[in-house]
Amino acid sequence: EDKVVQSPLSLVVHEGDTVTLNCSYEVTNFRSLLWYKQEKKAPTFLFMLTSSGIEKKSGRLSSILDKKELFSILNITATQTGDSAVYLCAVFSRGYQKVTFGTGTKLQVIP
Amino acid sequence: DVKVTQSSRYLVKRTGEKVFLECVQDMDHENMFWYRQDPGLGLRLIYFSYDVKMKEKGDIPEGYSVSREKKERFSLILESASTNQTSMYLCASRPGQRDTIYFGEGSWLTVV
Repeated sequence: EDKVVQSPLSLVVHEGDTVTLNCSYEVTNFRSLLWYKQEKKAPTFLFMLTSSGIEKKSGRLSSILDKKELFSILNITATQTGDSAVYLCAVFSRGYQKVTFGTGTKLQVIP
Repeated sequence: DVKVTQSSRYLVKRTGEKVFLECVQDMDHENMFWYRQDPGLGLRLIYFSYDVKMKEKGDIPEGYSVSREKKERFSLILESASTNQTSMYLCASRPGQRDTIYFGEGSWLTVV
């Protein structure tokens, strides 16, 4: 059975801190891993990762994939209260319609 | 812009009632999904559909059914709502085999 596990489940940090969110996976025929941010509405797309070792970056957020060790990390530097959200990791498999999601990490950034 | 619309955002239903959650997408996507989201459990797949009138069970189909009579519309049905179905329900669509998924805004269901 395909599995995606995120850690930690939740985390509280102060503004300005740097955080690292983890996503590990065990899926058949891995093709890509996506990160989403979810506030109190529909999840919004952050990154898609398909190749090991290539960092994707957008402002203060960055992400990288390790296909050998089967995990990805999402880094947020200089956190702001607007970063408070649930961060979801999703894995797409080759030749398969299903998308497997992780449990999510709830991040709270306090002033 | 792709739009996935869930018509009911907040519902309160009584135990035993039949509940319909509707989802419409406007981009001719083949695949549509229903998830429920609970704290600490993430998104769990209830059912998905890869074509009109086609459906497949996800990880937690018990107590739910679905209907896809038209490509753009995917309905989730709770035949007899129970309190343990209180949750947030997310609809999503995916074009073919592309690695992208679009979500609706979510439907918050409370069963009392």
